[in-house]
Amino acid sequence: DADVTQTPRNRITKTGKRIMLECSQTKGHDRMYWYRQDPGLGLRLIYYSFDVKDINKGEISDGYSVSRQAQAKFSLSLESAIPNQTALYFCATSDTGRGIDTQYFGPGTRLTVL
Amino acid sequence: DQQVKQNSPSLSVQEGRISILNCDYTNSMFDYFLWYKKYPAEGPTFLISISSIKDKNEDGRFTVFLNKSAKHLSLHIVPSQPGDSAVYFCAASASQSGGGTSYGKLTFGQGTILTVHP
Repeated sequence: DADVTQTPRNRITKTGKRIMLECSQTKGHDRMYWYRQDPGLGLRLIYYSFDVKDINKGEISDGYSVSRQAQAKFSLSLESAIPNQTALYFCATSDTGRGIDTQYFGPGTRLTVL
Repeated sequence: DQQVKQNSPSLSVQEGRISILNCDYTNSMFDYFLWYKKYPAEGPTFLISISSIKDKNEDGRFTVFLNKSAKHLSLHIVPSQPGDSAVYFCAASASQSGGGTSYGKLTFGQGTILTVHP
């Protein structure tokens, strides 16, 4: 079984709809992250959480919100989806215990906003 | 402000030859660097990393070199294999608490598409 899972894997929605992407991990890591990938722009950080009670904005948080329901679960919401939020979305985790920031990624969610 | 840059969008090499992927950074607080590989329809997977206290780290066919004075790192793959064809991302982190807004986060480059021809 995969250590970091994301649901759904693919989603097509319409402008203005509310969308939730979910991430679960079995690695026991404290830290979780949401990124989006766009062609030519690499991965950009949307939100991150260092523990259940800690939520921080990344470089492109506008139009997104997150919820850390438990150590193992971190969900990303688009309150009112718009076409330029069409992208690949990745969840990642890392372990503070190692003192380094190697992150482990889920398989991604391909989101299309029409 | 792109703090981590991969200026080559793509690289094509022959099987058995060396692949060299380059990455430049601007933030002097970065002290830990990583390379990730990404296949289509999959998430990025960790490949190799290097701390700023080193200038080289080797793992099998993969070697990462760090030139702190030039704020430059490179990934060497020798020998290259067709299965190495993927997108490669470099990333940087300020692992120490003095890293300001970069602490505990990874900043990624734009990626380089590597194609290894048989």
